[in-house]
Amino acid sequence: DAGVTQSPTHLIKTRGQQVTLRCSPKSGHDTVSWYQQALGQGPQFIFQYYEEEERQRGNFPDRFSGHQFPNYSSELNVNALLLGDSALYLCASSLGGIDTQYFGPGTRLTVL
Amino acid sequence: GIQVEQSPPDLILQEGANSTLRCNFSDSVNNLQWFHQNPWGQLINLFYIPSGTKQNGRLSATTVATERYSLLYISSSQTTDSGVYFCALTTSGTYKYIFGTGTRLKVLA
Repeated sequence: DAGVTQSPTHLIKTRGQQVTLRCSPKSGHDTVSWYQQALGQGPQFIFQYYEEEERQRGNFPDRFSGHQFPNYSSELNVNALLLGDSALYLCASSLGGIDTQYFGPGTRLTVL
Repeated sequence: GIQVEQSPPDLILQEGANSTLRCNFSDSVNNLQWFHQNPWGQLINLFYIPSGTKQNGRLSATTVATERYSLLYISSSQTTDSGVYFCALTTSGTYKYIFGTGTRLKVLA
């Protein structure tokens, strides 16, 4: 039973560029949440996708957008990258968005 | 919004020692989880425990929702227990998990 997978593992971009991160949920899960974790901080909620719709959003600008596909996988897009977007981006999956969340290994984004 | 404070912020133990990590929260919660983040950044599920007590091997957890705290007990600690421990929770009407401030644990051989 595959757990939550994310790609790529690492990514280096320059300011102003755009990036797309990908997440496949744990088998049987239908909800995907995205988090940003800056160095030395706890994860911060970006948004949650359920039934291919953004169900809830944290305090992040519109530069952060996402998508959920019919197979429940998800993408996180960040436009006009800033140096402050450098972080570990974590994806979590769950059933219905409640109960236990399972996290993927993360994508480490560096913006130069 | 809800405040989630963890204590202690840092903890250094000798292998074999026991420890108690605490998570205090300022509002009633619907969901509460404990995670261990290893040095590679992977968040590992320890417990889903919005109330009551659970045990899994050397680890156990207790949440007293009415008093707004949760405890994680680690017994006979091992060097592989090193890392950061987070509690994370949601409140009524939201799917947004809020993470606590974390406890950084180092277990020495």
